[in-house]
Amino acid sequence: DAKTTQPNSMESNEEEPVHLPCNHSTISGTDYIHWYRQLPSQGPEYVIHGLTSNVNNRMASLAIAEDRKSSTLILHRATLRDAAVYYCILRVTGTASKLTFGTGTRLQVTL
Amino acid sequence: DAGVTQSPTHLIKTRGQQVTLRCSPKSGHDTVSWYQQALGQGPQFIFQYYEEEERQRGNFPDRFSGHQFPNYSSELNVNALLLGDSALYLCASSLEGFSSPLHFGNGTRLTVT
Repeated sequence: DAKTTQPNSMESNEEEPVHLPCNHSTISGTDYIHWYRQLPSQGPEYVIHGLTSNVNNRMASLAIAEDRKSSTLILHRATLRDAAVYYCILRVTGTASKLTFGTGTRLQVTL
Repeated sequence: DAGVTQSPTHLIKTRGQQVTLRCSPKSGHDTVSWYQQALGQGPQFIFQYYEEEERQRGNFPDRFSGHQFPNYSSELNVNALLLGDSALYLCASSLEGFSSPLHFGNGTRLTVT
């Protein structure tokens, strides 16, 4: 499975933007980039996904590098409720529900 | 609209026993997958069920088996429990199809003593 590399942890101040990086240098042309997050004592929650173009939704934005070897999840104004582990995942064509999670980035948000 | 529900929330079993975990998918979803999450690790894919059949399987032994019912709900069975099976077991549902996001339940915490 194609792998992703993320920092173990990051910190942010509340109401500041947060940029969570992810490297995926072995990505293939048909792999989608997915982001999930897991709040304490909860199951993972879908955040956003994209293939080549930058994507926006109500939760976040996803910026994908032109060569697709890296991407950045952008939380525009972090709140305390955004404190979670964020997982960057490559969803491989044909593997449907099989998501390969790494250890993710633990985001701490402080006042 | 109810999301993915799992039962029980917590369970304690003894080594060698068998356990059954249950999952009801989000309304309208037809595909269920199961994940195991050890403490401090990301979830690991166990298997996926669609149309009452196992469609994909991760690197888990045959002690792990499952079932999907006509109403799309699912069970995960683990036989001959080992101490290493202690983990959070997550169920996820989705619509069949590659681009459909997964919706996860909050899991069943299994402790094997």
